[in-house]
Amino acid sequence: AQTVTQSQPEMSVQEAETVTLSCTYDTSESDYYLFWYKQPPSRQMILVIRQEAYKQQNATENRFSVNFQKAAKSFSLKISDSQLGDAAMYFCAYISGGSNYKLTFGKGTLLTVNP
Amino acid sequence: KAGVTQTPRYLIKTRGQQVTLSCSPISGHRSVSWYQQTPGQGLQFLFEYFSETQRNKGNFPGRFSGRQFSNSRSEMNVSTLELGDSALYLCASSFAATNTGELFFGEGSRLTVL
Repeated sequence: AQTVTQSQPEMSVQEAETVTLSCTYDTSESDYYLFWYKQPPSRQMILVIRQEAYKQQNATENRFSVNFQKAAKSFSLKISDSQLGDAAMYFCAYISGGSNYKLTFGKGTLLTVNP
Repeated sequence: KAGVTQTPRYLIKTRGQQVTLSCSPISGHRSVSWYQQTPGQGLQFLFEYFSETQRNKGNFPGRFSGRQFSNSRSEMNVSTLELGDSALYLCASSFAATNTGELFFGEGSRLTVL
């Protein structure tokens, strides 16, 4: 079974600074996708960034980028120029490229942004 | 375009009762998934439906069931409620028939079992 591990339950960053959230995963599959989802307090979860395992190039979405190390099964999220609105719980997630249709989530990292 | 709508948003039940939660996906989305979120266990997959067919089910007891209607709206039911069923139940929809994992989540239904 696939597992996703986020080793940092909480992180904090100063506004305008850069922070990196860690995620490791375990799978024997070769076809899969990885995600970072953001869940602000009392608001719905939204997709931040997506990475296909077959792509070597790291995904980037504005201030958000990932460092995908396939051999090490590592998938970290870097947030540049942190803003107060980035404060949220961040979940790393995995889905098989096969037909199981389920996301496996990590336990989450609570990010605090200090003004 | 309206987002994923879940009703009710909050509800309180007592042990032994049953509950039905509803989810209306984004228009045009045919896949609906359900997840249970608790502080201890995190986010756990319950089931996924596409075109009224359950394609996958998580490791939950048979007290948890779901269905999807022809208009893609989905309901989940929990019978014989236990204290441990207290959780935020999240519904998510997606357009793709294939498995891309890009889900659009609702705000959730927060269930408290007393």
